[in-house]
Amino acid sequence: RKEVEQDPGPFNVPEGATVAFNCTYSNSASQSFFWYRQDCRKEPKLLMSVYSSGNEDGRFTAQLNRASQYISLLIRDSKLSDSATYLCVARMDSSYKLIFGSGTRLLVRP
Amino acid sequence: DAGVIQSPRHEVTEMGQEVTLRCKPISGHNSLFWYRQTMMRGLELLIYFNNNVPIDDSGMPEDRFSAKMPNASFSTLKIQPSEPRDSAVYFCASSRRGQGGNQPQHFGDGTRLSIL
Repeated sequence: RKEVEQDPGPFNVPEGATVAFNCTYSNSASQSFFWYRQDCRKEPKLLMSVYSSGNEDGRFTAQLNRASQYISLLIRDSKLSDSATYLCVARMDSSYKLIFGSGTRLLVRP
Repeated sequence: DAGVIQSPRHEVTEMGQEVTLRCKPISGHNSLFWYRQTMMRGLELLIYFNNNVPIDDSGMPEDRFSAKMPNASFSTLKIQPSEPRDSAVYFCASSRRGQGGNQPQHFGDGTRLSIL
């Protein structure tokens, strides 16, 4: 079983739609969580950290459920430019090692 | 500010040849990471350094792979001899090791390696 699991998608949605991605992690010792975005043939870039109380950054909302070992990312009013692969990431602070999920691909169509 | 700089951007070579990938981390960052990304296995950590010292190399696939960080502004990942299954995109990332460890990693553009 992978340490961080994501639905690979693709999620194909129209502009303006709301879309949610889920991610589960297997190691309960994981302490920090992130969402990274990766465009085709580009490097991963940090989208946002995920805090225990949930956090929002513009159209993006991230939530963490430690009891269920579950992380989510919600994108509201999706734009064409949101088309990318979204990587769920977990880290155990003791090691500083990031564990990446395989990514969920999002396609936003006009 | 300059980001993480990797070279070369692309490398195509024949199997058996030595390959050297280079990375310059962001100035002031004291943690450096080498990753490999393939369609089959996703993004995998190969090795990471803190203050130029290798801390965790458990992800290095085998003895053909080696990495060095002779100073705070330069690291290399070497494959010798290279094999076709080493074909992948290799990313270098750096971060500032802060309190609580919740510092983001910044990735370079990657080196797209093809071994024929």
